[in-house]
Amino acid sequence: DQQVKQNSPSLSVQEGRISILNCDYTNSMFDYFLWYKKYPAEGPTFLISISSIKDKNEDGRFTVFLNKSAKHLSLHIVPSQPGDSAVYFCAASLAGNNRKLIWGLGTSLAVNP
Amino acid sequence: EPEVTQTPSHQVTQMGQEVILRCVPISNHLYFYWYRQILGQKVEFLVSFYNNEISEKSEIFDDQFSVERPDGSNFTLKIRSTKLEDSAMYFCASSAPGQGPEQFFGPGTRLTVL
Repeated sequence: DQQVKQNSPSLSVQEGRISILNCDYTNSMFDYFLWYKKYPAEGPTFLISISSIKDKNEDGRFTVFLNKSAKHLSLHIVPSQPGDSAVYFCAASLAGNNRKLIWGLGTSLAVNP
Repeated sequence: EPEVTQTPSHQVTQMGQEVILRCVPISNHLYFYWYRQILGQKVEFLVSFYNNEISEKSEIFDDQFSVERPDGSNFTLKIRSTKLEDSAMYFCASSAPGQGPEQFFGPGTRLTVL
């Protein structure tokens, strides 16, 4: 099952710079895309989502961009902080309530002071 | 801030034994989920639950698995006869109707089958 793909297993950036995490998908029926952050020994924490009818959603330092024609989305973190170091998961869901999330493999972000 | 809780944090069991993983979803949420993550692999959907019924289940969720909401607060996942390949982190999640697709996750239970 390769419906959601995160092709970069890891990313390292300097504190204060921009972090860009990428995600690709294959199912054009996905209705929502979500980003989760996960620290070791904790559950995933919801960060930000975007509806398939939008191309951008912003929340503080976090912005998600959606390119439907390319079936690609990205999460931008500006400025990056050491506390942002975690694994970031891209997930997608179909329309409707109570729908399962389909996950990417995750990208481990390291923000260096 | 309300949160999803899970117990135990770590469960070690022998192959063939039954285990019950427990979750307390956020109190005003109505949709409940179980996911699992085998080490090094993707988070995988197991089952969703609403109004005391399974809404959707994955191919993984075979007859060895069952879910229950035994009272107004707990949501449990039972594995009747554990196999070595059931070793994974099991995450419970919940969500609220009309509040978007966001699901809120507990800290997980690490299940180790020996």
